[in-house]
Amino acid sequence: GNSVTQMEGPVTLSEEAFLTINCTYTATGYPSLFWYVQYPGEGLQLLLKATKADDKGSNKGFEATYRKETTSFHLEKGSVQVSDSAVYFCALSDGGGSWGKLQFGAGTQVVVTP
Amino acid sequence: DTAVSQTPKYLVTQMGNDKSIKCEQNLGHDTMYWYKQDSKKFLKIMFSYNNKELIINETVPNRFSPKSPDKAHLNLHINSLELGDSAVYFCASSLDSASYNEQFFGPGTRLTVL
Repeated sequence: GNSVTQMEGPVTLSEEAFLTINCTYTATGYPSLFWYVQYPGEGLQLLLKATKADDKGSNKGFEATYRKETTSFHLEKGSVQVSDSAVYFCALSDGGGSWGKLQFGAGTQVVVTP
Repeated sequence: DTAVSQTPKYLVTQMGNDKSIKCEQNLGHDTMYWYKQDSKKFLKIMFSYNNKELIINETVPNRFSPKSPDKAHLNLHINSLELGDSAVYFCASSLDSASYNEQFFGPGTRLTVL
């Protein structure tokens, strides 16, 4: 079956540090890949997505590239801010009859200190 | 205006009770979802409706019954509540059930069963 594995947190960084959160996936088809972010006490919101191999999703300084050969979709940001403190979820949706079902990784909590 | 809204935001109840959570979206989307987030932040799909028809029904106890009176509303009724039902329940919607679509999440309902 399909699955998503992402690095465990919490990840604690200083402001302006470089952030990487690793995400790898297993899928039988050609999934769409997503990064969602959950700020404290809120619902999830889409951060970025990529729908085919070699696509790069980007938003708010975050980037991730869909790598089919390594089945990865690592999230990066060059200079984090305190406001980036949140839980980040990697997710996939497999086109093969999944009806849009999102399968999530376990989430990675990121804490950015001033 | 709120895109996906849920009521109530908090729900505290005793074991054995029956409760409902309501969800509404004003985005004109065809597809709506219920997800459960456990205490470790892990998210799992429960149900999905597309234009009032059930399209995803994961392995969920039959004490959980979703109902979609129209495509803008998706409610979740839970009978005979158990301690293990304590979680945050998120409603989400998307344009349709295609795998590449962004899902818009509500703010969540924190259910505590005592």
